[in-house]
Amino acid sequence: DIQMTQSPSSLSASVGDKITITCRASQDINKFLAWFQQKPGKAPKSLIYAASSLQSGVPSKFSGSGSGTDFTLTISSLQPEDFATYYCLHYNYYPLTFGGGTKVEIK
Amino acid sequence: QLQLQESGPGLVKPSETLSLTCTVSGGSISSSTYFWAWIRQPPGKGLEWIASILYTGTTYYNSSLKSRVTISLDTSKNQFSLNLSSVTATDTAVYYCARRPNGFALDIWGQGTMVTVSS
Repeated sequence: DIQMTQSPSSLSASVGDKITITCRASQDINKFLAWFQQKPGKAPKSLIYAASSLQSGVPSKFSGSGSGTDFTLTISSLQPEDFATYYCLHYNYYPLTFGGGTKVEIK
Repeated sequence: QLQLQESGPGLVKPSETLSLTCTVSGGSISSSTYFWAWIRQPPGKGLEWIASILYTGTTYYNSSLKSRVTISLDTSKNQFSLNLSSVTATDTAVYYCARRPNGFALDIWGQGTMVTVSS
């Protein structure tokens, strides 16, 4: 099974900051990588698929990059509604596996 | 607009079988374009994919749960279901159903349902 290692597990940032979250796959997954945002008590929301394609309706302050084994999610100019937990997911083939999550908190 | 809604008991006794249903509205479950999936999240922890099924009946399971899990479709009701047998407290979690377009990631999720395993 492919292991997804996400870092950092948590970070503190201020409104207006730019942040980057990293996800590393244990083997090459091409660009079969997605990012999700989850707020407390809510279902995950799809942000990005195919490593860098923005899901419909997701603001352009979210961006993704990478291929192979190393991927990043960048959020430019953090706003209060962006404080949440973010997960990566590989979907190259079954079984699907999620990263451990990154909790983004207000500094 | 496609919507998914989980349903089932919120409390299950240890050693019994957890049974959940996901009702799909606003679209057909009988499409070769989509897989249907179950994912769970223990309290305060991360996400874990459990199983997926295609309308043909082709299934995929998390190897750590495979011996206890069954996913199935009921096209007449536009629903798919999850059975998890011999549950223990470690199966306590929020269970989500979701859609996965073939070749793409999970895109639409249900709101989730909390299941507690306790006597």
